[in-house]
Amino acid sequence: AQSVAQPEDQVNVAEGNPLTVKCTYSVSGNPYLFWYVQYPNRGLQFLLKYITGDNLVKGSYGFEAEFNKSQTSFHLKKPSALVSDSALYFCAVQNTGGFKTIFGAGTRLFVKA
Amino acid sequence: DADVTQTPRNRITKTGKRIMLECSQTKGHDRMYWYRQDPGLGLRLIYYSFDVKDINKGEISDGYSVSRQAQAKFSLSLESAIPNQTALYFCATSESGSFNEQFFGPGTRLTVL
Repeated sequence: AQSVAQPEDQVNVAEGNPLTVKCTYSVSGNPYLFWYVQYPNRGLQFLLKYITGDNLVKGSYGFEAEFNKSQTSFHLKKPSALVSDSALYFCAVQNTGGFKTIFGAGTRLFVKA
Repeated sequence: DADVTQTPRNRITKTGKRIMLECSQTKGHDRMYWYRQDPGLGLRLIYYSFDVKDINKGEISDGYSVSRQAQAKFSLSLESAIPNQTALYFCATSESGSFNEQFFGPGTRLTVL
């Protein structure tokens, strides 16, 4: 069975500082990992995904994520946070065949000016 | 995302009523999904459809039914609504195949009194 854990309900960071939103996963076989962002009153938006290849994946809005197989982690990062990055972030893992995506519970990011 | 639309955006109803939530997409995707979002639980899959003739139950399908009227339309019904179905409901689409991201509608906030 596959699962995703986001250990932090909330992350607070000051504008201009680097941010990290954590995600760990459990899968049998190769992991296919995603990050989505949800702004207030909006649906989820895709940020980036890891399928294979480089462990550092670059995505939208300056976000990147680092895949670490030994630690079964896929943490979301950004070098310099913006107030507009404040949102709810979801990590997700997809099974081979792509018909089932398991989402984490979400981490709320607050960026203070 | 205007490519995936949901109606209504908000609905308040009473226990025992039949409710239909509608989803339309202009992305030309074969795959469509219905999720519900509850605080602290992330998104959970209700039903998914790979094409007009293919409909499958997700992890929480009890109390729900769906209809795929066309490639572009996928409706979710609650035959007899109950209060614990109060949630935010999202429709999503994706291309066929593995490792593809999903595109979400803006959501329907349903309250069952």
